[in-house]
Amino acid sequence: GQSLEQPSEVTAVEGAIVQINCTYQTSGFYGLSWYQQHDGGAPTFLSYNALDGLEETGRFSSFLSRSDSYGYLLLQELQMKDSASYFCAVITADSWGKFQFGAGTQVVVTP
Amino acid sequence: GAVVSQHPSRVICKSGTSVKIECRSLDFQATTMFWYRQFPKKSLMLMATSNEGSKATYEQGVEKDKFLINHASLTLSTLTVTSAHPEDSSFYICSARSPLAGESDTQYFGPGTRLTVL
Repeated sequence: GQSLEQPSEVTAVEGAIVQINCTYQTSGFYGLSWYQQHDGGAPTFLSYNALDGLEETGRFSSFLSRSDSYGYLLLQELQMKDSASYFCAVITADSWGKFQFGAGTQVVVTP
Repeated sequence: GAVVSQHPSRVICKSGTSVKIECRSLDFQATTMFWYRQFPKKSLMLMATSNEGSKATYEQGVEKDKFLINHASLTLSTLTVTSAHPEDSSFYICSARSPLAGESDTQYFGPGTRLTVL
């Protein structure tokens, strides 16, 4: 079957760096995406990795190792507004590019 | 960027009634849209894939007669929760695949619809 694992919660102070790991088991893996969701809001796209390596977008970076079925999201220079849930999502190689989402990691940023 | 809207944002209804939720791609055409359901503090569960001009594809365990999906145009998909019951209360979110070249594996999400069934 398919499964994704990520930590349920991470707490860090402003200015710190947080790494959210995501391990997955799936058939037909195509790529790994990361989404941010604030309470009551819509998920917003952060990053996407289809190839091994690091993708950097401002304060956020995402990494993928296909051989290890593992990826992570790195949040740098944490700000209070980064307090949210972060979901990794596996994209499978079917014609519709369906997502399977992980359970989400609640990031709590403290002053 | 690609914008997806949902209407209504919040709905309260009596048990036994049907509720229709609209999902629109505002500035692009979406041949494929997805419907998710999310419980508080939980992940997004894919319910179905909505394809313009053809029948929706439902995920295992999702009752297609309960959750009717119609993708009548390239910018509109609707989800109708029929004969709603309190256990159908949830946050329903739609998404559409990005129309941009090189971004086909990105989904843009609507703001969600919170359904409460009394």
